[in-house]
Amino acid sequence: GNSVTQMEGPVTLSEEAFLTINCTYTATGYPSLFWYVQYPGEGLQLLLKATKADDKGSNKGFEATYRKETTSFHLEKGSVQVSDSAVYFCALSYEGNYQLIWGAGTKLIIKP
Amino acid sequence: SQTIHQWPATLVQPVGSPLSLECTVEGTSNPNLYWYRQAAGRGLQLLFYSVGIGQISSEVPQNLSASRPQDRQFILSSKKLLLSDSGFYLCAWSVLMGYGYTFGSGTRLTVV
Repeated sequence: GNSVTQMEGPVTLSEEAFLTINCTYTATGYPSLFWYVQYPGEGLQLLLKATKADDKGSNKGFEATYRKETTSFHLEKGSVQVSDSAVYFCALSYEGNYQLIWGAGTKLIIKP
Repeated sequence: SQTIHQWPATLVQPVGSPLSLECTVEGTSNPNLYWYRQAAGRGLQLLFYSVGIGQISSEVPQNLSASRPQDRQFILSSKKLLLSDSGFYLCAWSVLMGYGYTFGSGTRLTVV
């Protein structure tokens, strides 16, 4: 079946460090891929998305590229800030399907 | 622009008491609506989704129920809460299935 696997957290980095949060998926066909962010005590916000292979989603300095050949959608940021501390969720879905398949989430802690 | 409202933000209820959480969407018509639960430190679990008024699909058998009395209103209910119902409840909507969701700010429910 379809699934999403994220690297386990927490991931702890110093401010201005480079960030990578790995996400790989198992799916047939061509799903859309998403990264959501959940700040402490809040709901989830869509961070970025990509709907086809080789698409790059970007927002707020974060980027992720849809890699069909490696079935990956790794989240990256060149220089993290304390305000980036949050839980990040990778997810996939198919057009016309109600369900999002979620990763377990990766907690990111940025220290000043 | 579209907005989603969810209330209350926090709720402490005794075991055996009833529950009613409300979610409303503004600025769109005939949205797909969803209820998710997030247990502490864990990922997201889809509880219910609705594609139209009075149309509710349940993903997980439990003592919770959902209703959609109006196009943009989605209610999560229980007649008698259990300790295991504690968690963070998130409402979400989408225009098209498979293109990601917009989430509400969530309700933190503690059953004591």
